[in-house]
Amino acid sequence: EPEVTQTPSHQVTQMGQEVILRCVPISNHLYFYWYRQILGQKVEFLVSFYNNEISEKSEIFDDQFSVERPDGSNFTLKIRSTKLEDSAMYFCATSSGVWGEQFFGPGTRLTVL
Amino acid sequence: AQSVTQLDSHVSVSEGTPVLLRCNYSSSYSPSLFWYVQHPNKGLQLLLKYTSAATLVKGINGFEAEFKKSETSFHLTKPSAHMSDAAEYFCVVSGSTSGTYKYIFGTGTRLKVLA
Repeated sequence: EPEVTQTPSHQVTQMGQEVILRCVPISNHLYFYWYRQILGQKVEFLVSFYNNEISEKSEIFDDQFSVERPDGSNFTLKIRSTKLEDSAMYFCATSSGVWGEQFFGPGTRLTVL
Repeated sequence: AQSVTQLDSHVSVSEGTPVLLRCNYSSSYSPSLFWYVQHPNKGLQLLLKYTSAATLVKGINGFEAEFKKSETSFHLTKPSAHMSDAAEYFCVVSGSTSGTYKYIFGTGTRLKVLA
């Protein structure tokens, strides 16, 4: 069964450093999402992406965040200058259509020291 | 706007007894609703989904949920709890604003199963 994959599974970084989280979507999926879950809290929407453009972003998704599909397969989330409060689990999700079910990856746990 | 409220942050049941996790939703149109389970330090696993077909939805591991429009509820049930059911459960409603379709998660219910 096709699945969404994410790398790395765990990333530890120093405050102020840049990190890139990677997601490989299911092959025929065209809609991409990032969600975040701070430890012990609910999952929150960050951003949606379609046709090489951001469709919608939340208040969390400020200028420190960016997304792209650099090679037509990977879907990445970049945090330019990490802060302690960016420590969280980041989930990628993809779907085949705008109303389609979203399939979640296993997540990347980001720890900012 | 769409929203979802999970009425209990913690639920404890004894092994072999029924499970009820409550969820109420708010939506300006016919919603899609989901239940996800998250075991400690693990990702999100889809338990079941409602997408305007049958109102009683059966999922994996013996879980089911009933969509009740009149009560705006989508409670998750299981007849007999197992120790392996101990986890965090999230009720999710799909929401559409600005032409996109995002998932809106509840705050979660932590299920504890007592031996």
